[in-house]
Amino acid sequence: GQNIDQPTEMTATEGAIVQINCTYQTSGFNGLFWYQQHAGEAPTFLSYNVLDGLEEKGRFSSFLSRSKGYSYLLLKELQMKDSASYLCAVLDSNYQLIWGAGTKLIIKP
Amino acid sequence: ETGVTQTPRHLVMGMTNKKSLKCEQHLGHNAMYWYKQSAKKPLELMFVYSLEERVENNSVPSRFSPECPNSSHLFLHLHTLQPEDSALYLCASRVTGENTEAFFGQGTRLTVV
Repeated sequence: GQNIDQPTEMTATEGAIVQINCTYQTSGFNGLFWYQQHAGEAPTFLSYNVLDGLEEKGRFSSFLSRSKGYSYLLLKELQMKDSASYLCAVLDSNYQLIWGAGTKLIIKP
Repeated sequence: ETGVTQTPRHLVMGMTNKKSLKCEQHLGHNAMYWYKQSAKKPLELMFVYSLEERVENNSVPSRFSPECPNSSHLFLHLHTLQPEDSALYLCASRVTGENTEAFFGQGTRLTVV
């Protein structure tokens, strides 16, 4: 079966750095997405990785290791507005998106 | 605003009611999706329309019935729902067969009483 694992909830302090991990087992791989979802709102696209390595986009970075079936989202200089759920999704061999349950990130002052 | 519009945003319905959820996109995408989002669970794919043909998820109860009249519009018809169907229903669209992201609507928060 196909499976994506993420921690259910994480807590971090404003101004700090947090790393949200995602491990996956899917039938084929055509890339991995990270989305941000604030409560009651639509998920919005953050990043896409298809090759190994780190992709940096402002305060957010995403890393991929295809051999390990592993990715992480790194958030720096945390702000209160970063409190949200972060969803990991893999595009499988049929170009279908397989979703993790999401990680709820709580930022404390 | 993501380019995908869902209505209504909130819906409360009784178990004997019939209602429909609407989704609209004008992004030129050729695939549209219905997802169910329950607390602490992964997004559950319900239905996919790709190039206006339905790819059905067989685990979806028949009380949910999708309709895709054209590539820009998608409906989810609801009838005789159960309380456990209460959830956030999200519509998404993307370009099928490519490594492109999905764009989501704001969702419809459905409560079945």
